[in-house]
Formats: sequence, C-alpha cells, structure tokens
Amino acid sequence: QVQLVESGGGVVQPGRSLRLSCVASGLVFSNSIMHWVRQAPGKGLEWLAVMSHDGSITINEDSNKGRFTISRDNSENTFYLQINSLRAEDTAVYYCAKESSSSGWAGVFDPWGQGTLVSVSS
Amino acid sequence: DIQMTQSPSTLSASEGDRVTITCRASQSITNWLAWYQQKPGKAPKLLIYKASTLESGVPSRFSGSGSGTEFTLTISSLQPDDLATYYCQHYNRYPVTFGQGTKLEIK
Repeated sequence: QVQLVESGGGVVQPGRSLRLSCVASGLVFSNSIMHWVRQAPGKGLEWLAVMSHDGSITINEDSNKGRFTISRDNSENTFYLQINSLRAEDTAVYYCAKESSSSGWAGVFDPWGQGTLVSVSS
Repeated sequence: DIQMTQSPSTLSASEGDRVTITCRASQSITNWLAWYQQKPGKAPKLLIYKASTLESGVPSRFSGSGSGTEFTLTISSLQPDDLATYYCQHYNRYPVTFGQGTKLEIK
C-alpha cells in the first residue's frame, strides 16, 4: 500500500524559509512522478509543482516560480518543497501526491499524503 | 490558464437521491478531466479520471461523463458516506487547475 507522509510544517514568520518533506513507502519511488498541491484554510486546491521520477524535469506554477523549489532524494524515498520569503497567503495545508499510474505525466494525483499545515504569521 | 467552474457550490440532498455536479472548462480539454472527493479533515481522493473512468475501488454509484468543456459527476444513489466536497480538475496541460469545489450535504 502506497503511503506518503509529509512533515516540516508549522508556524513561521513572514519572510522566512521552510522546507517540507514527503516520505514515500510502498512504491518504487525512483519510478514515481511527484507533485505538490496546497489548500488554504477553507479554500480550494492549488497545484504547485511537479518533478519527474529522476529529478531531471520540473514544472512550477508560474506565480510561485522563484520562491518555490522542489527536489527529491531517491535514495531516501523523499520529496521536498522549499518555500522562500514566506507570505501570509502561503498559509495552507501542503500535500504531496504521486502521479497516478494511469496517467503518465499528465497531472492526476493518486494517492495523496495527509498534508502538513504551514501557518505564516508574525 | 484554463479556468474550471463547478456548480452548484453547495448541494443538499437526501439518502438515495440521484445527485449531479457540473464542471465547465474555459476552453476545450477533450476528456482530460478528473474528479476528487475530499472528506472533512482528510486529503482528496481520486474518484474518476479521463472524464468517465472509475478509479479502482470506487463504488459504482459514482459516474462521470462529458467532453470538451462540459462535464458531470453523478452519484446514482446518495449514501451518508458521500458527505464531502467534490473537485473537478483538468489535466489538459500544465498548469493543471481545479474547480472551486462542490460541498455535498446530506439532509
């Protein structure tokens, strides 16, 4: 059974940086395309970025380019999201998700982790 | 970016009812559409992809249809366990985007 577990969230001051982690198990992580998606409190879902199985290709949503950086360590089955210059509007639950095995590189998310909450506040 | 619009935003229905949620795309996405179910306090779960293909393990009372710009998610006989918010999402190209969600309440 595939399991994705995010960590690294918490309360952070505006302007600071944070790195979120997503540890995967129950799958061949080095073959898996991975995504980050976030959800502000009481709001909808926002896709952030995707990384290929080997880390050679990344695509970021345009509005967060430059502040959001994704990376992975296939030897540790871990996927990362680095967020710099945090703003109040970055307050959200951040989910990692695996690309569905049915969809290739398309952007269909299955499964999702349980999420980690980032609160940006002074 | 492609905009996804769902209707209604909130839906109240009784157990056993047939429920339909509509999703419209701002331009044609052929059939590159997924539906997710998000129960309160939980992560979303994939229900349907490619507009009408049911994900493995999803009850058969869920179905999807449509192509181009108009899509529907139908629950044929509403169950209490279906209390959730439902999201459509296109994956025609990046950036993929979601509808704003439809909150389904059980009367």
